[in-house]
Amino acid sequence: QVQLVESGGGLVKPGGSLRLSCAASGFTFSDYYMSWIRQAPGKGLEWVSYISSSSSYTNYADSVKGRFTISRDNAKNSLYLQMNSLRAEDTAVYYCAREGIAAAGVLDYWGQGTLVTVSS
Amino acid sequence: EIVLTQSPATLSLSPGERATLSCRASQSVSSYLAWYQQKPGQAPRLLIYDASNRATGIPARFSGSGSGTDFTLTISSLEPEDFAVYYCQQRSNWPKTFGQGTKLEIK
Repeated sequence: QVQLVESGGGLVKPGGSLRLSCAASGFTFSDYYMSWIRQAPGKGLEWVSYISSSSSYTNYADSVKGRFTISRDNAKNSLYLQMNSLRAEDTAVYYCAREGIAAAGVLDYWGQGTLVTVSS
Repeated sequence: EIVLTQSPATLSLSPGERATLSCRASQSVSSYLAWYQQKPGQAPRLLIYDASNRATGIPARFSGSGSGTDFTLTISSLEPEDFAVYYCQQRSNWPKTFGQGTKLEIK
């Protein structure tokens, strides 16, 4: 069965950095686009970034552009999000999600999320 | 950026009743609209994609309709486990955006 397991969240000071990881299993990881979605406490969902199956294409929300970098290692079935220059408004649960193979932009499986808290 | 506006913000109904949730886009998204369900403390779950296609394992009481700018998610007869927050999401343009959510609560 498809499993996505995020890790790497925690408490970090403003201006700090954090690297999130997502371990994928139960499917051919290298065939799928992958994304990071976040949800601030008590708020709605925001699409942070996506990466194509071969890493050729990436894109970012304006709110994180220039500070966050998405990457993947298909040999390790892993997705990453490097977050630099963190701000209080980046505090959120970060989910990794798989995009549908025949419907890019449809998030058909999600991880359980990892909480990032940016606070002094 | 395409803005998705969901209504109502909160919907209070009883089990067995029919639920109708709306999502309006600020510009056409063709049929590239999905619906997700989120329960407290859980990740969202895909219900409907491309306006009217049920995702794998989703019960037939969930249905979607619409195209262009106006979309509807209908739950034909509410089960206790259906009370949750529902989000619409468009994949027509980047950034891919979500609506602000409709909370479906037990009356």
